[in-house]
Amino acid sequence: QQPVQSPQAVILREGEDAVINCSSSKALYSVHWYRQKHGEAPVFLMILLKGGEQKGHEKISASFNEKKQQSSLYLTASQLSYSGTYFCGTEISNSNYQLIWGAGTKLIIKP
Amino acid sequence: NAGVTQTPKFQVLKTGQSMTLQCAQDMNHEYMSWYRQDPGMGLRLIHYSVGAGITDQGEVPNGYNVSRSTTEDFPLRLLSAAPSQTSVYFCASSYGGRAQETQYFGPGTRLLVL
Repeated sequence: QQPVQSPQAVILREGEDAVINCSSSKALYSVHWYRQKHGEAPVFLMILLKGGEQKGHEKISASFNEKKQQSSLYLTASQLSYSGTYFCGTEISNSNYQLIWGAGTKLIIKP
Repeated sequence: NAGVTQTPKFQVLKTGQSMTLQCAQDMNHEYMSWYRQDPGMGLRLIHYSVGAGITDQGEVPNGYNVSRSTTEDFPLRLLSAAPSQTSVYFCASSYGGRAQETQYFGPGTRLLVL
């Protein structure tokens, strides 16, 4: 039931782009993206709702393909501050208020 | 506005001991939840609450109890600690009564059970 995130880890140079994927075997109502830096709490990035549009925030955007039960997070022109572990949390339709989280994608940005 | 606060930050327990992890929020959020985070496994939901007096089980509830007597507080009780409960515990809250909102996480409690 846990969504699958890919890749597990990625190393980039500052300024490069990255795509992180989140795939579920269940029909999804919403997908949530969070970033966690080492030793800190996860911090909200964005929520994508079923039937909603692609979301964006500065150089970080995401899409949600309901038919494929997948979401992708796009990081454009990555900055050093983007380093961390990215988690997707999925709300399964009629899930009774629970989020099921992927195992995370570790992103390392080098100068 | 303190957000979500958790105490203690660190705790070492012996097997069989019990303890309560405290969580409080001052944002008047209806939804609160407890997660544990283990290396390589992401966040797993232990228990959650959609409002005062209402709690329900998540993915991994065994060995934990919760109660929600006020909107602000959502303590997590370990009944008889086991080494398998060594983890980082996060409390989170969100406005409204469901998970479909931005969740605000506390700083976490790092628990080691010997």
